[in-house]
Amino acid sequence: GQQLNQSPQSMFIQEGEDVSMNCTSSSIFNTWLWYKQEPGEGPVLLIALYKAGELTSNGRLTAQFGITRKDSFLNISASIPSDVGIYFCAGQSGGGADGLTFGKGTHLIIQP
Amino acid sequence: DTGVSQDPRHKITKRGQNVTFRCDPISEHNRLYWYRQTLGQGPEFLTYFQNEAQLEKSRLLSDRFSAERPKGSFSTLEIQRTEQGDSAMYLCASSRRGGGSEAFFGQGTRLTVV
Repeated sequence: GQQLNQSPQSMFIQEGEDVSMNCTSSSIFNTWLWYKQEPGEGPVLLIALYKAGELTSNGRLTAQFGITRKDSFLNISASIPSDVGIYFCAGQSGGGADGLTFGKGTHLIIQP
Repeated sequence: DTGVSQDPRHKITKRGQNVTFRCDPISEHNRLYWYRQTLGQGPEFLTYFQNEAQLEKSRLLSDRFSAERPKGSFSTLEIQRTEQGDSAMYLCASSRRGGGSEAFFGQGTRLTVV
């Protein structure tokens, strides 16, 4: 089946630093999404990407859909304490008529 | 309607008991998904509804699991004869047709089987 490799598994950074994380896949996806999850809560959608090469921003977050359609990255600029959480990439092959395949997450920890 | 609602938030049950979870999607969303998430992992797809029709089921959905969406609005997920390995967070998500893949998740139901 499809698998997503997400890295790094965890990041310990200082407040104000920029963060970069990525996902790679063994197969092609038509859509890439990035979610953030906090303890005891469901994932919250951050950014959705629909076209190969697409670069999309949401505030301090920027994500790109890789040109090969097998990878995506998420950058967070000038991190703040509320950025702490687990960030998941997710890919979808169809147009919403099938489930998302998730990575294992990147755990972001920020030291003040 | 502020988002996807799941009930209960937490459930502790003894092994062998049956449990049922409910999900109320965002009102204008006709697509509804169930996922399971275990500690340290991302969510894993279980099943998908478009309106009241269950269109896809993962191989993770054993015969002890059944999901329904009788009127195309809320959905229930039932687990019969629970096992310790069923302990997980069960997440519901919804999206609207034509909304691409933008699925919005509820807060989940945390199941602990003792």
